[in-house]
Amino acid sequence: DAKTTQPPSMDCAEGRAANLPCNHSTISGNEYVYWYRQIHSQGPQYIIHGLKNNETNEMASLIITEDRKSSTLILPHATLRDTAVYYCIVRVAGKYGGSQGNLIFGKGTKLSVKP
Amino acid sequence: NAGVTQTPKFQVLKTGQSMTLQCAQDMNHEYMSWYRQDPGMGLRLIHYSVGAGITDQGEVPNGYNVSRSTTEDFPLRLLSAAPSQTSVYFCASSNRERLNTEAFFGQGTRLTVV
Repeated sequence: DAKTTQPPSMDCAEGRAANLPCNHSTISGNEYVYWYRQIHSQGPQYIIHGLKNNETNEMASLIITEDRKSSTLILPHATLRDTAVYYCIVRVAGKYGGSQGNLIFGKGTKLSVKP
Repeated sequence: NAGVTQTPKFQVLKTGQSMTLQCAQDMNHEYMSWYRQDPGMGLRLIHYSVGAGITDQGEVPNGYNVSRSTTEDFPLRLLSAAPSQTSVYFCASSNRERLNTEAFFGQGTRLTVV
């Protein structure tokens, strides 16, 4: 089973920030939080990941709570092209020899960006 | 820069037929995997490989075989197709050695079994 809980759907107005929450209350100390998105049944696309510090890249920001039990993906200025299903995944990063490296997908959050 | 290439993009099979879904990557990634995605669902792991000659089962392996004879290729074989295997199949690869490991996905193979 996926180790994360996400709302099934969210709406966001174009140009506004989209804040997508994720609960991962059973996360282990060596597990990272990863975010992927899937646009219209294409292959999933990596967005960002982090361990305990907040992270930012050209696509998004990731805010992880101090207790690491939840996180928020922020798309600062959502566009229509950001309409997609967003997946929050926790897993071990780094060199791995077996199943601990696998990505376990839940159902994600369907984000609809509206004009 | 091709990344992960899946062929074919679309396929229709009759029940009982066999076929191989191809997956190739040109990034020298050790780790490769196959997922299936059914309508309204997230991706489910079928099989994965951590390097040439090594494969293992994921969450839903029944009805599928894999082999990994080279680093670049990871074919998925359906020995006797069933309607329950109608799905979209995604192949992914990632660098096993790097600490910050992101997975790269192909564009999918849409399979219909009638």
